[in-house]
Amino acid sequence: SYELTQPPSVSVSPGQTARITCSADALPKQYAYWYQQKPGQAPVLVIYKDSERPSGIPERFSGSSSGTTVTLTISGVQAEDEADYYCQSADSSGTSVVFGGGTKLTVL
Amino acid sequence: QVQLVQSGAEVKKPGASVKVSCKASGYTFTSYGISWVRQAPGQGLEWMGWISAYNGNTNYAQKLQGRVTMTTDTSTSTAYMELRSLRSDDTAVYYCSSGYLYFDYWGQGTLVTVSS
Repeated sequence: SYELTQPPSVSVSPGQTARITCSADALPKQYAYWYQQKPGQAPVLVIYKDSERPSGIPERFSGSSSGTTVTLTISGVQAEDEADYYCQSADSSGTSVVFGGGTKLTVL
Repeated sequence: QVQLVQSGAEVKKPGASVKVSCKASGYTFTSYGISWVRQAPGQGLEWMGWISAYNGNTNYAQKLQGRVTMTTDTSTSTAYMELRSLRSDDTAVYYCSSGYLYFDYWGQGTLVTVSS
């Protein structure tokens, strides 16, 4: 089955830049999306179509794509950004949705 | 504003069925589909499938084919997800969300516990 691969954890100090990667073969053909999830809450869409930011999402969140890897970048990380982050895309046929395993962002 | 309000927590025995509802408001219900995503305790997100609120077309995750049925009631702007032959590993928070290939609005989640 199709899989998206994320690192299990990333740690940064406040004010630094956090980068979370997501890799899969079909990513050059399918858009990637990123969600933030805090404990006990539903996920929140923070990036869509690789690099677009929904209204209300701070400008410090950005997304990029290069080949089979997409990256979520959080510039000037704040304590409130500590959460689990999930990438999401579709298989090459576009019919099956898949999530990455999630990355726990720790703000030191 | 768009709101998706789900039904309350359920406790079921193995082998039983559960039906979770998701009532939408704040937009034209038939303009978008509803997807269902679940999350087992301490685990990641798992896509379960999608239903078009316009014509009822469905697309289920292969893993759940034969056990899941998604329906909608356009008269009440409500979507339903029924999961049958429940097992302990179906214990999870079940979320509804607007959208097909990505999910911009989410319900609050419904905890389904499967235990004997």
